[in-house]
Amino acid sequence: NAGVTQTPKFQVLKTGQSMTLQCAQDMNHNSMYWYRQDPGMGLRLIYYSASEGTTDKGEVPNGYNVSRLNKREFSLRLESAAPSQTSVYFCASSVYAVMYEQYFGPGTRLTVT
Amino acid sequence: GEDVEQSLFLSVREGDSSVINCTYTDSSSTYLYWYKQEPGAGLQLLTYIFSNMDMKQDQRLTVLLNKKDKHLSLRIADTQTGDSAIYFCAEESDMRFGAGTRLTVKP
Repeated sequence: NAGVTQTPKFQVLKTGQSMTLQCAQDMNHNSMYWYRQDPGMGLRLIYYSASEGTTDKGEVPNGYNVSRLNKREFSLRLESAAPSQTSVYFCASSVYAVMYEQYFGPGTRLTVT
Repeated sequence: GEDVEQSLFLSVREGDSSVINCTYTDSSSTYLYWYKQEPGAGLQLLTYIFSNMDMKQDQRLTVLLNKKDKHLSLRIADTQTGDSAIYFCAEESDMRFGAGTRLTVKP
């Protein structure tokens, strides 16, 4: 039982490049989330998926797209990366769309130069 | 938007109690949370409290909630070096987190 896994762990992009961050969970959770963590700002919610087939914007969705591929997988896409998107990205999942008992992945450290 | 605020740093001696404070602005939150983040890792839920409770105790952890002042605190009794981490408070209604308090425990 791996919990929440994220790939890649680290990534360096040039401005304007695109990439997809992958997230998978094996806990049969209904809800999945993408957050970004910046120094001194805590976590901010980018997008979430309350259940398979639905996605909703969080606090900071601009510049990102998401896909809930199936119940297990929730990907985050940067179409044209910008230096302001340099951050650590965390995926999380929970049984239902409430925060308690959210399980977090180990994070992806992304640098955009 | 609504905010969740915490002080950024706290340093204590091993064996002392630590108190980490948090204020929030959204009074509609049903749950308030404390998470712990160790270096290089994701967040781990430590404890949570329902908004109709004043206090919750869980082993060395005590959470106090003052709804009138919108103030939440986490007390760690007998703080150990293994408690050194960043602690985040969060509220449920907007899924907002504070900036995190870095707790340093000195031997």
